[in-house]
Amino acid sequence: KQEVTQIPAALSVPEGENLVLNCSFTDSAIYNLQWFRQDPGKGLTSLLLIQSSQREQTSGRLNASLDKSSGRSTLYIAASQPGDSATYLCAVNTNAGKSTFGDGTTLTVKP
Amino acid sequence: NAGVMQNPRHLVRRRGQEARLRCSPMKGHSHVYWYRQLPEEGLKFMVYLQKENIIDESGMPKERFSAEFPKEGPSILRIQQVVRGDSAAYFCASSPNGGSGNTIYFGEGSWLTVV
Repeated sequence: KQEVTQIPAALSVPEGENLVLNCSFTDSAIYNLQWFRQDPGKGLTSLLLIQSSQREQTSGRLNASLDKSSGRSTLYIAASQPGDSATYLCAVNTNAGKSTFGDGTTLTVKP
Repeated sequence: NAGVMQNPRHLVRRRGQEARLRCSPMKGHSHVYWYRQLPEEGLKFMVYLQKENIIDESGMPKERFSAEFPKEGPSILRIQQVVRGDSAAYFCASSPNGGSGNTIYFGEGSWLTVV
């Protein structure tokens, strides 16, 4: 059974800092891994999707890496801004469309 | 192209009543997934449906919960005789097909409160 763990559960940083969010999973036989952002009381916004054959994906100030063999992914946020404050969820897809989510990292960026 | 549409966004039900949550997938998407997010927790998979078929319902509670995705119209998640523990956010997602390479797109969620 796939289990996904996100560390830390919460993170508070001053504006401008670079930061790394971690995601680990127990079953390396994955199809892809997706990072989402969730604002309070809102739905999920897809940030980055990494296929199992890829090592990383980049979008603007975000960079996500994937190391399947060690069961790890990181989300790197450069030059953090208060608008980045949200909960970040990692989801691992081991079967078509059926994703296992971590419990998320709640990020607060202080101005 | 509208995204995944869920309604109602917020629903309040008394214990014992029925709750019906609707999900219209993105245009051209024929695969729908339902997830539940309990307070302070991550999303948990409930069920995966294609038109008129339930593909995987391994995450559905054995009783009171059912889901359908008819040939016409939205997907429905139905919860009978709701209890306080059913209070959660219910998210629907869709994809064009069940392929592993596809991004799945989430709706804004339906927040169910059982009083």
